[in-house]
Amino acid sequence: KNEVEQSPQNLTAQEGEFITINCSYSVGISALHWLQQHPGGGIVSLFMLSSGKKKHGRLIATINIQEKHSSLHITASHPRDSAVYICAVISSGSARQLTFGSGTQLTVLP
Amino acid sequence: SQTIHQWPATLVQPVGSPLSLECTVEGTSNPNLYWYRQAAGRGLQLLFYSIGIDQISSEVPQNLSASRPQDRQFILSSKKLLLSDSGFYLCAWSAVSYEQYFGPGTRLTVT
Repeated sequence: KNEVEQSPQNLTAQEGEFITINCSYSVGISALHWLQQHPGGGIVSLFMLSSGKKKHGRLIATINIQEKHSSLHITASHPRDSAVYICAVISSGSARQLTFGSGTQLTVLP
Repeated sequence: SQTIHQWPATLVQPVGSPLSLECTVEGTSNPNLYWYRQAAGRGLQLLFYSIGIDQISSEVPQNLSASRPQDRQFILSSKKLLLSDSGFYLCAWSAVSYEQYFGPGTRLTVT
């Protein structure tokens, strides 16, 4: 069983829809990242969370440490949001290296 | 401000040839450094990490090696490439916080 599980693997939405991507993990963590990867391969860190909720523009990330679960929400989705979204955790006591989920391919149709 | 550089951006190498990918970080001191790989159709995987000069930890046994000859330089090498080494290689760094910053990546194709 992978330490970090993401769902869904693929998601197609119509422009304007509210989108949720889920991440569950099985280890104790110091922090959790939500990353965005565009087709060229470059990766951008969207959020780094250790508790609660963060918001940036139309993106919202939440984490429940007790349930070992995080969600990434996109409000009013747009075709430019199409990308792979990756959940990654930093295990407690580690050298801050990331363990990744398998990613969610999001396609937003106009 | 901090920046991270990787080169080359793309590379096509024959099986059995050597490899050297370089990563340098500017604007910070004593960062933790990481090499990750994304094979075609697969997720990202940690290959090596370093908490200081000449301090390298390997996560996955393979024909790759890493070195850190200077505080802000991290090199990924191979003496003989395999087809399975093809992929997208990312270097990253982190400092005191848990934020992690990624380089632009190197796309390696082994033919």
